Amino acid sequence: GAVVSQHPSRVICKSGTSVKIECRSLDFQATTMFWYRQFPKQSLMLMATSNEGSKATYEQGVEKDKFLINHASLTLSTLTVTSAHPEDSSFYICSAEEQGRGGGYTFGSGTRLTVV
Amino acid sequence: SQQGEEDPQALSIQEGENATMNCSYKTSINNLQWYRQNSGRGLVHLILIRSNEREKHSGRLRVTLDTSKKSSSLLITASRAADTASYFCATDSGTYKYIFGTGTRLKVLA
Repeated sequence: GAVVSQHPSRVICKSGTSVKIECRSLDFQATTMFWYRQFPKQSLMLMATSNEGSKATYEQGVEKDKFLINHASLTLSTLTVTSAHPEDSSFYICSAEEQGRGGGYTFGSGTRLTVV
Repeated sequence: SQQGEEDPQALSIQEGENATMNCSYKTSINNLQWYRQNSGRGLVHLILIRSNEREKHSGRLRVTLDTSKKSSSLLITASRAADTASYFCATDSGTYKYIFGTGTRLKVLA
């Protein structure tokens, strides 16, 4: 089945630094990937839609300059949290759907970001 | 907000019992999916049900969809301790942007 790999699974960084999270579709191509954010015991909130070869589409209220998304190939999307602050600490998850599979989206295992 | 709502927010049952979770949403949809999330982990896709379907089964899972009421239910029969997780519904209104419900935290006691 389709596999989405997300790396790193956990990261701790200092305030003011930037963190890059990678999302890879391992055995399929994904022209579109999605990035979600999840606070403890809450649901997933869609942050942005990552489009291969073009700019990402951000949801209302999500700062484009803070959450940089790059989808440079059909198998890789990256989310960079710039100038991270403690309030950015969260669980970030990406997802992608294999074209033509129609069986739902495959999610990465998530990245737990802690900003200290 | 378009976010769906699920109830109950939390459910605690004994092993062997059935667990029912409900999801309500606000706009017309193309399909609805149910996912499971173990604590601190990624999501696992359970079932996708399309807007023209009323019921689907997968093993011990049964999903119903009532588009007139904009609601769906997930039934887990003969629950096991390993079913302990959070369960989310997610809806697609045709844009391929899935909107997640608030989730139900299920605890199955051995």
